[in-house]
Amino acid sequence: QKEVEQDPGPLSVPEGAIVSLNCTYSNSAFQYFMWYRQYSRKGPELLMYTYSSGNKEDGRFTAQVDKSSKYISLFIRDSQPSDSATYLCAIPTYSGAGSYQLTFGKGTKLSVIP
Amino acid sequence: ETGVTQTPRHLVMGMTNKKSLKCEQHLGHNAMYWYKQSAKKPLELMFVYSLEERVENNSVPSRFSPECPNSSHLFLHLHTLQPEDSALYLCASSQEMDRAYEQYFGPGTRLTVT
Repeated sequence: QKEVEQDPGPLSVPEGAIVSLNCTYSNSAFQYFMWYRQYSRKGPELLMYTYSSGNKEDGRFTAQVDKSSKYISLFIRDSQPSDSATYLCAIPTYSGAGSYQLTFGKGTKLSVIP
Repeated sequence: ETGVTQTPRHLVMGMTNKKSLKCEQHLGHNAMYWYKQSAKKPLELMFVYSLEERVENNSVPSRFSPECPNSSHLFLHLHTLQPEDSALYLCASSQEMDRAYEQYFGPGTRLTVT
């Protein structure tokens, strides 16, 4: 089983819709859960992250972690065409000698149609 | 200039060429990373440097050779590449290696090997 799994989509929604993006992970020891957003022809940018379980809200974005089911979600309320991008979940995993690396999902491509 | 910059943004090279990708970060970070992003695959970590020392090499073929002359600059030297090496190559940095969960990415170099 891959460490992080994410449905690549694509996902197309009308403007104003609530969007739900999801990932599953395999290792129950993971504590940090990240969401990156990548616009076309750009590098990923850190959108938000959560530590351990629960919710974190930032404007129209809410990140949620359910550790019992190893499921992480990103919700976008009142979606806008400017939210059209690829959303990548990522989890930092310890790789030894004080080094961590980010394990990414494949990314979900989102299009918000005006 | 701020953030993480990469040059060139696009590169086309033949299989017998030698070229180099350059990354520069203006964030005062101590850790830098090279990633490969191919279509329909998760980001793959290639190399990690901390304070100019390589700490991670994820089984990358020797035709890719990294160099980190100081904590602000990172290079990826390319020689005798294969067509399957065509991808987006992303550079990232973080404050320290143990803050790998908060990485800042450059815009990437789109590499095409002919």
